[in-house]
Amino acid sequence: DAGVTQSPTHLIKTRGQQVTLRCSPKSGHDTVSWYQQALGQGPQFIFQYYEEEERQRGNFPDRFSGHQFPNYSSELNVNALLLGDSALYLCASSLLAGSHPETQYFGPGTRLLVL
Amino acid sequence: AQSVTQLDSHVSVSEGTPVLLRCNYSSSYSPSLFWYVQHPNKGLQLLLKYTSAATLVKGINGFEAEFKKSETSFHLTKPSAHMSDAAEYFCVVSGRFYNQGGKLIFGQGTELSVKP
Repeated sequence: DAGVTQSPTHLIKTRGQQVTLRCSPKSGHDTVSWYQQALGQGPQFIFQYYEEEERQRGNFPDRFSGHQFPNYSSELNVNALLLGDSALYLCASSLLAGSHPETQYFGPGTRLLVL
Repeated sequence: AQSVTQLDSHVSVSEGTPVLLRCNYSSSYSPSLFWYVQHPNKGLQLLLKYTSAATLVKGINGFEAEFKKSETSFHLTKPSAHMSDAAEYFCVVSGRFYNQGGKLIFGQGTELSVKP
C-alpha cells in the first residue's frame, strides 16, 4: 500500500517565477491538505481540498492556489515567487468520511529554494 | 482559537534514560491531539493520537502521552531512549471538531538529542 507521494523532491526557482508541486494521496483517502514548513518552524496550514474544491484555507495570499483531480491527487501552485517562499512543502492525506477524519498522513515533502 | 505550546525547543538525554517532551494546548472545545516525529530530511510520521477516548495513549516505538484536561497538557514520554529516537517532535491540535476534519495546528517543535 503506497503512502503519500510528492514530486519533485527538490526544486530551485528564481524570484517572480511560478511553481507547481504535486501530491498523490494514500490509497483510499479522499482529502488532501498542504502545509508550508519554513526552516526551524512547525508546518503551517495552507489549504485543504475535498471533492475537487477548496474546503479550508489558512493565512496565505492568493499567490498560493491549488487543485484536486477526480483521482484525488492534488497540485499546489505558487505564483510570483518570493525569497520567503523557500520552504519544505508537505502534502497530507486523510479520509473525511472516516472515524477520525482529522488524522493526516504526510508525504516526504518538496523542498523549494527561491533564489 | 486553538494553539499548542511546546515548552522546550531542545531536549537532550542519554541513551537508556527516560524521555519527556512537554506540550500545553489551548482549545475552546474538546480537541484531538497528536504527536508527530520528523527525522532529518524526512516527512512527518504519526506517533500517536488522542481523540476523547482513553486519556493515556500508546503510540509506536514505545512512546505514550497522557491527556490532562485540568492542566491542558499532552506530554510525550518514553521509558528508555534509543539513539534512533533523535529527531524533531511536534505536538499538534486539530483545528475543528474532530468529526469534521480540517486543518492541523502545529507547535514549534522540540528537537530531541540522544547521547550514547
